[in-house]
Amino acid sequence: KQEVTQIPAALSVPEGENLVLNCSFTDSAIYNLQWFRQDPGKGLTSLLLIQSSQREQTSGRLNASLDKSSGRSTLYIAASQPGDSATYLCAVDAGGTSYGKLTFGQGTILTVHP
Amino acid sequence: SAVISQKPSRDICQRGTSLTIQCQVDSQVTMMFWYRQQPGQSLTLIATANQGSEATYESGFVIDKFPISRPNLTFSTLTVSNMSPEDSSIYLCSVEGSGTEAFFGQGTRLTVV
Repeated sequence: KQEVTQIPAALSVPEGENLVLNCSFTDSAIYNLQWFRQDPGKGLTSLLLIQSSQREQTSGRLNASLDKSSGRSTLYIAASQPGDSATYLCAVDAGGTSYGKLTFGQGTILTVHP
Repeated sequence: SAVISQKPSRDICQRGTSLTIQCQVDSQVTMMFWYRQQPGQSLTLIATANQGSEATYESGFVIDKFPISRPNLTFSTLTVSNMSPEDSSIYLCSVEGSGTEAFFGQGTRLTVV
């Protein structure tokens, strides 16, 4: 059974810092990995999707990398801003008969102070 | 991308009653997924809803408690039946867009008193 772990559970940084969020998964046979952002009491906003054949994806100040063989992904946020404060979730799709079914990590709660 | 509209956005319900949550997508999709997020927890998949067939439930979830309808390729409902305070959660629907990216609705925040 796939298990997804995110470290750290919470992170508090001053504005302007570059930061890294970590995600690990136990079964490397994944179809893709996706990073989401969730604001309090809200739904999920997709940030980046990495296919199993890809090593990284970039969108603006966000960069996500994937090392499938070691079961790890990182989300890099450059020049953090108070508006980046949210919970960040990573999720893996195993594909095959489980295509579309996501297994989520517990999330990293990020607070960026002005 | 896919735009998903969920209703209601929140509700407070009496124990023992049922609530039906609606999920409307702006494009036709084969599979729709329902997730639960208990307070302070991450998301857990409840079931997969395919049009024209019975929903497939994950371990720990049963049809009597969470009946699902999928009448067409753009709409689904999830009912939370005979509610107890333990059912207080955020319920979210999700679809797969082109390129296998998953999209989520804004969620339904349910409080059972």
